[in-house]
Amino acid sequence: AQSVTQLGSHVSVSEGALVLLRCNYSSSVPPYLFWYVQYPNQGLQLLLKYTSAATLVKGINGFEAEFKKSETSFHLTKPSAHMSDAAEYFCAVSAFGGGGNKLTFGTGTQLKVEL
Amino acid sequence: GAGVSQSPRYKVAKRGQDVALRCDPISGHVSLFWYQQALGQGPEFLTYFQNEAQLDKSGLPSDRFFAERPEGSVSTLKIQRTQQEDSAVYLCASSAPTRQGHEQYFGPGTRLTVT
Repeated sequence: AQSVTQLGSHVSVSEGALVLLRCNYSSSVPPYLFWYVQYPNQGLQLLLKYTSAATLVKGINGFEAEFKKSETSFHLTKPSAHMSDAAEYFCAVSAFGGGGNKLTFGTGTQLKVEL
Repeated sequence: GAGVSQSPRYKVAKRGQDVALRCDPISGHVSLFWYQQALGQGPEFLTYFQNEAQLDKSGLPSDRFFAERPEGSVSTLKIQRTQQEDSAVYLCASSAPTRQGHEQYFGPGTRLTVT
């Protein structure tokens, strides 16, 4: 069984500041991990994914995440926040990469970017 | 190219009515997933199809929920005798196997409100 915990349901940063969204996972098998972004009234868009290759994963829009097995973490970062980054972010885990296996999502983190 | 589409985008139903939600996956995608997203929560898995075969329906909350994909393309999620707790956004996702892992592509969702 897999589960995901996202620490902080709301995060607020200033424009230009570092973005750090936390995700910890639990999995009985080697996990595949994903970060999705959701803008209001839209579906989920994949930011990046970890599939057991490089532990530092780069995604779209300047986001990246580092898989740390010892800490069971997959935190999402961006060096400099932009107003357009304001959205809800979901961390998700699956057992075999999400094609034939369901995604288990965290409860989400709402990112607010202030001037 | 065309992404995953869902219809209707919004549905209001009176308690006790039956509803049908449609999902058009990306052409050629063999895998199709349905998720339920309650307000303020992450999406939760409902059911999974590989082509026309429903391989996992462990997430369907009750026997009032039924999904089908008769020709391995379009899928319909049907909810009978709707209840207020069925109010949520219903997300559909499709995927195709790739060497890098199976990414799920999400539609915009159908927001169901049961009054």
